[in-house]
Amino acid sequence: EDQVTQSPEALRLQEGESSSLNCSYTVSGLRGLFWYRQDPGKGPEFLFTLYSAGEEKEKERLKATLTKKESFLHITAPKPEDSATYLCAGFTGTYKYIFGTGTRLKVLA
Amino acid sequence: DVKVTQSSRYLVKRTGEKVFLECVQDMDHENMFWYRQDPGLGLRLIYFSYDVKMKEKGDIPEGYSVSREKKERFSLILESASTNQTSMYLCASRPTGNNSPLHFGNGTRLTVT
Repeated sequence: EDQVTQSPEALRLQEGESSSLNCSYTVSGLRGLFWYRQDPGKGPEFLFTLYSAGEEKEKERLKATLTKKESFLHITAPKPEDSATYLCAGFTGTYKYIFGTGTRLKVLA
Repeated sequence: DVKVTQSSRYLVKRTGEKVFLECVQDMDHENMFWYRQDPGLGLRLIYFSYDVKMKEKGDIPEGYSVSREKKERFSLILESASTNQTSMYLCASRPTGNNSPLHFGNGTRLTVT
């Protein structure tokens, strides 16, 4: 069965303390891996798409990487406004997106 | 930027009521989706529409139906609301033909009492 697992479930960081969020997947025929940010009470906001192992994407303090078994979202020198839930999703084609349950990130000032 | 608009942020309905959740997108996307999001369960697909009047069941279609009469609008219908349908409902859209990400609306928090 296709599955996406995110860890940790929750993470508390001090402002400026860099860390990584993990998204491991067992998905047959992965055609894309997506990262989203979700603020409380809002819909997920698209961040990155990764298509092949070795690919990296960056945006401000965030960098996403992909291997054949997992993806990482690296957060460098986070700020309180980076606090959110981060979701990853594997795409297998047609309409099938498999979402993880997310990592709740809290950055303390 | 893609804009997906869900008509209600919060809804409170009674058990047995018929409930309509509306979603509109402004980017001429062919594909539209309805998910529900529950703590610990992630996003689960209810229905998917790949074109006007076309629909496919997702992973949890029971108790729901959908309508897509116009390309920009996708409605989710709860025929007879039950308390286990209390959830956050998310609409999404994407263009067809490539491995595109989904673009989500801001969700409708539905409470059934």
